[in-house]
Amino acid sequence: DIQMTQSPSSLSASVGDRVTITCRASQSVVTNLNWYQQKPGKAPKFLIYSTSTLQAGVPSRFSGSGSGTDFTLTINNLQPEDFATYFCQQGYIGPWTFGQGTKVEVK
Amino acid sequence: QVQLQESGPGLVRPSQTLSLTCAVSGASIRSGGYSWSWIRQPPGTGLEWIGSIHQSGSTYYNPSLGSRVTMSIDESQNHFSLKVTSVTAADTAIYFCARESNTMYNYFDPWGQGTMVVVSP
Repeated sequence: DIQMTQSPSSLSASVGDRVTITCRASQSVVTNLNWYQQKPGKAPKFLIYSTSTLQAGVPSRFSGSGSGTDFTLTINNLQPEDFATYFCQQGYIGPWTFGQGTKVEVK
Repeated sequence: QVQLQESGPGLVRPSQTLSLTCAVSGASIRSGGYSWSWIRQPPGTGLEWIGSIHQSGSTYYNPSLGSRVTMSIDESQNHFSLKVTSVTAADTAIYFCARESNTMYNYFDPWGQGTMVVVSP
């Protein structure tokens, strides 16, 4: 299985900050990398597919980059509704696997 | 707008079978070339893909669960189901159903709200 490792596991930030989350795959997933946002008690919400393509309705302050084994999710101008846990997921080789999550907390 | 809703017992005894159903509304489960998936999240931890069933009925499961998993589609009810046999405490989790994209990117959208299943005597 392809192991997905996110860093950091958690981070503290303030409204207006720029936040960067890293996701590393144990082998290349090319650009087949997706991102989700999960708030407490809720289902994950799909944000980005194919590394950098935003799902319809996702604010442009979210962006993704990377290829191969190293990927980044960036949130510019962090908003109150962005405090949540973020997961990456590879869809390149089954079984589909997720990172362990990065919790973005209020500083 | 496609919506998914899980249902099933919240408590399952060890060694028994966990059975869940996901009702799909807003679209036919047999159209669009989609697969329909189950994903679980043990309390306080990350997400584990359990498996998916294509609209054609073909299935693919996570090998981590071995032969304990079975998925099926009921076209008449427009829902799909999950069975996990011989459950243990390690199967305690929130179980989500989701639609898997019909593209090469294999992402999950939308998701059901999730249902908590506890395995306990």
